[in-house]
Amino acid sequence: AQSVTQPDIHITVSEGASLELRCNYSYGATPYLFWYVQSPGQGLQLLLKYFSGDTLVQGIKGFEAEFKRSQSSFNLRKPSVHWSDAAEYFCAVGLTFGNEKLTFGTGTRLTIIP
Amino acid sequence: NAGVTQTPKFRILKIGQSMTLQCAQDMNHNYMYWYRQDPGMGLKLIYYSVGAGITDKGEVPNGYNVSRSTTEDFPLRLELAAPSQTSVYFCASGDNRGGTDTQYFGPGTRLTVL
Repeated sequence: AQSVTQPDIHITVSEGASLELRCNYSYGATPYLFWYVQSPGQGLQLLLKYFSGDTLVQGIKGFEAEFKRSQSSFNLRKPSVHWSDAAEYFCAVGLTFGNEKLTFGTGTRLTIIP
Repeated sequence: NAGVTQTPKFRILKIGQSMTLQCAQDMNHNYMYWYRQDPGMGLKLIYYSVGAGITDKGEVPNGYNVSRSTTEDFPLRLELAAPSQTSVYFCASGDNRGGTDTQYFGPGTRLTVL
């Protein structure tokens, strides 16, 4: 079965600093990969997704992620964080195109300090 | 469009009571999902549906039941509430027709079983 690991439970960065959130997956074939963000008290919102093609994916709110097959990783990056980026971030993997079952990581909580 | 709506937002149950968590979507999506989110954990899939009249178990279905009589509605039923069912429940919908492949989440229902 597929699995997703987010090694960092909590990350704190200064406003304006760069950000990288790590995500590793375990699956025999190329999975479909997603990053979702959850603001406090809210549901999840899709930031970006990778299905095939260009391994560098651009998302909303200035986020990007890079799929690295050799490292089984799909890390999320942002060059300069804003206080409004404080949230919980979830990486997810799906086995088939579209809306089959997703497996979520345990999440990384991002705190932004002034 | 209202998107995905969930009611109630909060609920406290006593052990052994039953209740139904309501979920509705107005996007004509054929896929709908129920997840639970426990502290420090990712989302776990409880049940999902690929269309009206079709449901299937996810990763953690025990203690829950679902039905899908219409495209719009996907209620989740707890028959005999247990403290282990204290969690935040998220409903989501999606549709992979025409290349739409994102899951859209509702705001969640916070359930406490005492």
